[in-house]
Amino acid sequence: EAVLTQSPGTLSLSPGERATLSCRASQSVTSNFLAWYQQKPGQAPRLIIYGASSRATGIPDRFSGSGSGTDFTLTISRLEPEDFAVYYCQQYGSSPLFTFGPGTKVDIK
Amino acid sequence: QAQLVQSGSDLRKPGASVKVSCKTSGYTFTSYLMNWVRQAPGQGPQWMGWINTATGHPTYAQGFTGRFVFSVDTSVSTAYLQINSLKSEDTAVYYCARQPSYRGDFDSWGQGTLVTVS
Repeated sequence: EAVLTQSPGTLSLSPGERATLSCRASQSVTSNFLAWYQQKPGQAPRLIIYGASSRATGIPDRFSGSGSGTDFTLTISRLEPEDFAVYYCQQYGSSPLFTFGPGTKVDIK
Repeated sequence: QAQLVQSGSDLRKPGASVKVSCKTSGYTFTSYLMNWVRQAPGQGPQWMGWINTATGHPTYAQGFTGRFVFSVDTSVSTAYLQINSLKSEDTAVYYCARQPSYRGDFDSWGQGTLVTVS
């Protein structure tokens, strides 16, 4: 079973700072089918990055994704107040077909 | 712009059934797979399975076979999730999520439906 591990569990930062979130897979992610989502309380997840490094429609360029194989990173270059949320990585291809990581909470320091 | 609008929150007793709807607009319904995702209180999302909206063929993830039924009505561009023999552990928010062809992500989500079993 494909397992995703995210670190850190919580990231406490100030607006304007850089956020670096990590996602590690227990086995290589097929064709870099790795996505990142942002979720705020009471809302549905929102797609931020797909294919490991492609920004979804309408996502500002302060968000970037990188990585391949088993190690992936989401970077937010300068945190805006609306970026404080929980971020999940998600892989497609290994059994089960889709799995999500446990999430990284980015909160205000 | 794609919109996925789900039915409202529901409170059911153990052993009952519930049917959640996901009405779509703004795109060709049968051109995208529709997935269902569960999020239990305080936990991360969990993939339940998908349905091929063009053929109506469902695929269920392990742990979501038997009591869970996916269906579609293409005439009204709507997907459905039915859960039978409800248990307290089914209490969660259920999301429908659209998957573009040849991609492994969900680019548009419903607002979620809270199902409470008590």
